[in-house]
Amino acid sequence: AQSVAQPEDQVNVAEGNPLTVKCTYSVSGNPYLFWYVQYPNRGLQFLLKYITGDNLVKGSYGFEAEFNKSQTSFHLKKPSALVSDSALYFCAVRPSGSSASKIIFGSGTRLSIRP
Amino acid sequence: DSGVTQTPKHLITATGQRVTLRCSPRSGDLSVYWYQQSLDQGLQFLIQYYNGEERAKGNILERFSAQQFPDLHSELNLSSLELGDSALYFCASSPGTRSYEQYFGPGTRLTVT
Repeated sequence: AQSVAQPEDQVNVAEGNPLTVKCTYSVSGNPYLFWYVQYPNRGLQFLLKYITGDNLVKGSYGFEAEFNKSQTSFHLKKPSALVSDSALYFCAVRPSGSSASKIIFGSGTRLSIRP
Repeated sequence: DSGVTQTPKHLITATGQRVTLRCSPRSGDLSVYWYQQSLDQGLQFLIQYYNGEERAKGNILERFSAQQFPDLHSELNLSSLELGDSALYFCASSPGTRSYEQYFGPGTRLTVT
């Protein structure tokens, strides 16, 4: 079965420190991978995507993610966290070759940045 | 602001009732997706429409149905409501049927009492 796992329900980081939010996936073929962020009482916002090419993908708000095919991972990273980064982060995968844009979301990781 | 609008913002109704949630996609987007977000189930894909036609179905109950109209807005109909249907319902849109990122609306919070 195709799935996405976010092993951490919550990640706590001090402001100014680097942050990593983990994501692993299990899909057949080459996946399309995404990160979305959800602020309180808001819809999801697209952060970045990996389709093909360079394994390091840069996105909005200074976030980046690294695609690692051998480890089937797509971890979200930021060199220096801000308090305003505190939100719920979702990793998502869309199996390649799908005839539709059905996306499978992970369970989400709550990122908390302390001042 | 993603450009996707959803109405109403909040909805409180009783068990057994029927409700309709409405979504207007971003200008130019032909695909509309519906998702349910609940505490115990996470974010679940329900259904996708592309230019008026159903394209993909996810974990959508038989009590739920959706449609996309010629002006591309979409409605999600939930009937015979149960307490467990209480959730946030999101609509998202994208330009095509194989588009990569999706743009989410602010959601409709449904409370079934």
